[in-house]
Amino acid sequence: DTGVSQDPRHKITKRGQNVTFRCDPISEHNRLYWYRQTLGQGPEFLTYFQNEAQLEKSRLLSDRFSAERPKGSFSTLEIQRTEQGDSAMYLCASSLTVMNTEAFFGQGTRLTVV
Amino acid sequence: GNSVTQMEGPVTLSEEAFLTINCTYTATGYPSLFWYVQYPGEGLQLLLKATKADDKGSNKGFEATYRKETTSFHLEKGSVQVSDSAVYFCALTTNTGNQFYFGTGTSLTVIP
Repeated sequence: DTGVSQDPRHKITKRGQNVTFRCDPISEHNRLYWYRQTLGQGPEFLTYFQNEAQLEKSRLLSDRFSAERPKGSFSTLEIQRTEQGDSAMYLCASSLTVMNTEAFFGQGTRLTVV
Repeated sequence: GNSVTQMEGPVTLSEEAFLTINCTYTATGYPSLFWYVQYPGEGLQLLLKATKADDKGSNKGFEATYRKETTSFHLEKGSVQVSDSAVYFCALTTNTGNQFYFGTGTSLTVIP
C-alpha cells in the first residue's frame, strides 16, 4: 500500500485561472476528505465523501470550489477563477468506514496564485 | 459544536527536556482524540490516538490520556530529541466520522 497520493505536489497559477487537483486514497478506504491548510494554521475542513457520495461540505466552501469522486475511488478538487486568497496547501485524507478510526493524509498540493 | 483548542507556540526546548503540549476539546457525543505530527515539507502523520475516556495513547515515547472530566488530551514526552522538531496537531472526530476537527498546531523546536 502506497498511502494517499496527491497530484500535483505544487501548482502555480495566475489569478482567474482554473485548477484541478487529484487525490488517490488508500485502496480499501471508503471515506475521503479534503482539507485546506494555510501557514501557521491547522487543517480546515472542506468536504467529505463516503464512496462516491459527497455527504458533507463546509459552509466556508465558496461556489468556485467543486469536488467529485465519480467511482468512489480517486477524487478531484477544482477551483474556478482562482484568487490570491486561495493560495494554500490542499490536503486529502482517507479512512476506513469504521467508528473512531484515524484518517491518513497525503502530502498535499501546494497552490500559489500569482 | 465540535472544536479543539491547543497551546500556542512556538515551543523551544533543549534536548532531553520534558514536553507538554496542552489540548482541550469541545464535542457533541463521544469523540475520538488524536495527535498528528507534521514534519517540514511533509503531510500529517498520526502520532497516537485514544477512543474513549481514560484511554492512553502512546507512540515513540509520546503519551496522551483522554480525560473526559477535564475535556483534555495533553501530549507529553519525557525526553525530547532534535528529531522531534515538528508541528503537532490535536484533533477529534465524532461517531459519524464525517469530519476531523483540528487545533491550530504547536510548533516544537528542540535544540541540541
